[in-house]
Amino acid sequence: DAGVIQSPRHEVTEMGQEVTLRCKPISGHDYLFWYRQTMMRGLELLIYFNNNVPIDDSGMPEDRFSAKMPNASFSTLKIQPSEPRDSAVYFCASSLGQIGQPQHFGDGTRLSIL
Amino acid sequence: QQPVQSPQAVILREGEDAVINCSSSKALYSVHWYRQKHGEAPVFLMILLKGGEQKGHEKISASFNEKKQQSSLYLTASQLSYSGTYFCGTEPGSQYSGAGSYQLTFGKGTKLSVIP
Repeated sequence: DAGVIQSPRHEVTEMGQEVTLRCKPISGHDYLFWYRQTMMRGLELLIYFNNNVPIDDSGMPEDRFSAKMPNASFSTLKIQPSEPRDSAVYFCASSLGQIGQPQHFGDGTRLSIL
Repeated sequence: QQPVQSPQAVILREGEDAVINCSSSKALYSVHWYRQKHGEAPVFLMILLKGGEQKGHEKISASFNEKKQQSSLYLTASQLSYSGTYFCGTEPGSQYSGAGSYQLTFGKGTKLSVIP
């Protein structure tokens, strides 16, 4: 079975540029989560969707961050404009909305803003 | 609020046992445990639902004390492959219904190193 697929795996760009991260959840999963991982703050939830609808975006750090889920098989996380402090590993995870179901993580996007 | 994990790091020799603790200030519906190896994604280990159950997974097991809002992960007879960072993810329960929200807050992790 295909797992959660993220692209790109690595992204290096200059400050001020727009960055778009992509995620394809596991087919049939109705929850999708975006996380950011840094050494200082650990694994932080940014936003999550249920049936393509954003449920809680309180973890999105600022207006420079936006996320969309136009359909059940695709989501994007966009940063515009990017800043060096946005450098981190961004993970997408998906799960079934049932009791006792785990979240399955993608391999992540390692983002470096110069 | 982020759950607190302890210890932050631990070094074991092969065959030794370890306990990793996770404590929350919120009422919990469930606790999830994940292991992450360097440069890789977190990998699911197990879920414990409220009710104080204990689960086992080969030589890795866990318990959940709902009243104390604490969970512990037990690793017995550790193997080199157990090395990595262990995270607990806590799912709060609704103060009205007690049901979960499917939303997790992760601790900062416990780095486990197993040496020969």
